[in-house]
Amino acid sequence: NAGVTQTPKFQVLKTGQSMTLQCAQDMNHNSMYWYRQDPGMGLRLIYYSASEGTTDKGEVPNGYNVSRLNKREFSLRLESAAPSQTSVYFCATSTGVRGYTFGSGTRLTVV
Amino acid sequence: AQSVTQPDIHITVSEGASLELRCNYSYGATPYLFWYVQSPGQGLQLLLKYFSGDTLVQGIKGFEAEFKRSQSSFNLRKPSVHWSDAAEYFCAVGALEYGNKLVFGAGTILRVKS
Repeated sequence: NAGVTQTPKFQVLKTGQSMTLQCAQDMNHNSMYWYRQDPGMGLRLIYYSASEGTTDKGEVPNGYNVSRLNKREFSLRLESAAPSQTSVYFCATSTGVRGYTFGSGTRLTVV
Repeated sequence: AQSVTQPDIHITVSEGASLELRCNYSYGATPYLFWYVQSPGQGLQLLLKYFSGDTLVQGIKGFEAEFKRSQSSFNLRKPSVHWSDAAEYFCAVGALEYGNKLVFGAGTILRVKS
């Protein structure tokens, strides 16, 4: 099935540990995004990639890095996890502002 | 800066009653407008979207929304709520002038009383 696949679905980290959230799409979309969702704050954009080889900061980039490995894959890395990064992370792709597709999310807890 | 406001954090309605969820935006461009729904522990599902044309748009699950440019609003409505509509609802706005990025409101949690 066409769509956006995120791995892992759940993760518990200790403060200071690092990890990479993976996102892969088979929709042939140019643009990819990482959002985080926190209670009462909606979804906030962390980083995005308008096309292969480009990445830009969103609203809340501090503490994160991204890699657009190829057209299909866009990963989000936490180098030194902090409790404030406990959140649900969503990857999305789009052909433009009209057509977004979201992954099912990664629930991350940092203790 | 672009912003989206959903004034109601929580709304409780009785099953069978009508529903209106409010959304106001601040955008210096022609907006594209969306409503998403999220059930607990689930991902986002698109309910409806507005790009241009008729300002009253129909979506899935019996929802509709009306774009009012003069009020910078895009309120979501449903004539008769079902218990299965209990979820969190997000309004989102984008514009070509700001790339393909969506800005989301904080969400409104809908509770349905039986």
